[in-house]
Amino acid sequence: DGGITQSPKYLFRKEGQNVTLSCEQNLNHDAMYWYRQDPGQGLRLIYYSQIVNDFQKGDIAEGYSVSREKKESFPLTVTSAQKNPTAFYLCASSVRQGNGQFFGPGTRLTVL
Amino acid sequence: AQTVTQSQPEMSVQEAETVTLSCTYDTSESDYYLFWYKQPPSRQMILVIRQEAYKQQNATENRFSVNFQKAAKSFSLKISDSQLGDAAMYFCAYRVMYNNNDMRFGAGTRLTVKP
Repeated sequence: DGGITQSPKYLFRKEGQNVTLSCEQNLNHDAMYWYRQDPGQGLRLIYYSQIVNDFQKGDIAEGYSVSREKKESFPLTVTSAQKNPTAFYLCASSVRQGNGQFFGPGTRLTVL
Repeated sequence: AQTVTQSQPEMSVQEAETVTLSCTYDTSESDYYLFWYKQPPSRQMILVIRQEAYKQQNATENRFSVNFQKAAKSFSLKISDSQLGDAAMYFCAYRVMYNNNDMRFGAGTRLTVKP
C-alpha cells in the first residue's frame, strides 16, 4: 500500500539537543512538506521541497533544517536554536502541481 | 496574504443529523483550490473534499458536501447523517492553483457527535 510514514510517533528531547524526525513516502510524489501544529492553531509550513536536492523555507523555518537526498525521504531536524520545539509535526506530500496534499500520521515532539 | 477563517471553534451534532461547518477566506486570486481536512483523535490529516474555484458545481463526497460561494469567499462543509466516526477536528484549507507550496489552513473546528 502506498502512503507516508513518520517515525517515531513520540519523541522526547532534552533542551540543547538536536533531533531528527523521519518522513518517508512511497507514493512517487515529487513534493514534500513539513508542518507544525500547535494547540488551537492550524498547520504552519516549516519547509517544503519540490524536487530532490532542493528545498525552500516556509513561514516558520527558523531553528529547523531539512535535506532531500532521495525522492522518498524528507527528514526534518529540530535544532537547539528552535526556542519552543514542543509541538506536533506533520509531513505531507503531493504530486508537483497536484490539487491536494497527503499527510503522514505525525510525530509528537516534547522537550523536557 | 491569503487567510482562512473558521469562526466556530467547536460544534456538536446529534447522530444521524446534519451539521454545517463554516469557512471563509480572503484572497485576490481567481484560480485556487479549497479543501476540507479531517483530523480524528489519531491526528492523521485526512482529505475529505476539495473544490476547484473555477467550478460552479459544489463538490460532494458521499455524506459530505460543500456550499461554495465564490463572491462571498465562503466554503462551508455539510455533513449529512452524522456518524460517531465523524467526530474530529476539521480544517479548511486554501491554496492558489499554481502554487502547491502555499497551502493555508484555518484554525479548525472541533466536531462532537452525540449518540
